[in-house]
Amino acid sequence: QSVLTQPPSASGTPGQRVTISCSGSSSNIGRNTVNWHMQLPGTAPKILIYSTDQRPSGVPDRFSGSKSGTSASLAISGLQSEDEADYYCAAWEDSLNGHWVFGGGTKLTVL
Amino acid sequence: QVQLQQSGPGLVKPSQTLSLTCAISGDSVSSNGATWNWIRQSPSGGLEWLGRTYYRSKWYRHYAVSVKSRITINPDTSKNQFSLQLNSVTPEDTAVYYCARGPGSLGYWGQGTLVTVSS
Repeated sequence: QSVLTQPPSASGTPGQRVTISCSGSSSNIGRNTVNWHMQLPGTAPKILIYSTDQRPSGVPDRFSGSKSGTSASLAISGLQSEDEADYYCAAWEDSLNGHWVFGGGTKLTVL
Repeated sequence: QVQLQQSGPGLVKPSQTLSLTCAISGDSVSSNGATWNWIRQSPSGGLEWLGRTYYRSKWYRHYAVSVKSRITINPDTSKNQFSLQLNSVTPEDTAVYYCARGPGSLGYWGQGTLVTVSS
């Protein structure tokens, strides 16, 4: 059971806009920034969004992040076939001396 | 560019100790701005943070409550790396283990090591 809640799956057709939600609590998302990671099969997670809405260099501006209260969202516009992957949200949890918590992951299928 | 290279056995017997190492290039394990983390991913896909070490005038180590009694994370400044030891493993510890650099974004990850606990 993951601390952050994500839908297990999402889908869209090429060119569409898709959003993935991530729900937490006042001690994680409510107080801290959110990161999003993209994971392709057999590879390590890769940072996609950090500090809630910042993109590392090399990440297309089709990817965007936002937060409101204790929930966060990842939006992907202009969906492409190579976006098919697992997406995980992560946030710092302030309780129990602090630790990282993750969502259970959302498998995005490009139809 | 920070790179993390993991090494260690992929098979550990029940009740024994899991040991992995993460070699750092492009940064220093003693860096005042970094934290060095271990995270694992279960066969079902869930990610679990295990712990971290970092240097801020002295060394700190923080561990997840779920493994606190069994885990040790140590820096090795001579080799610019850090290690994970998990004692008394059971089949429930079977997972892909990752090292990752923090603090703010876990922006760099090792390649992952599949560790299977089986006799």
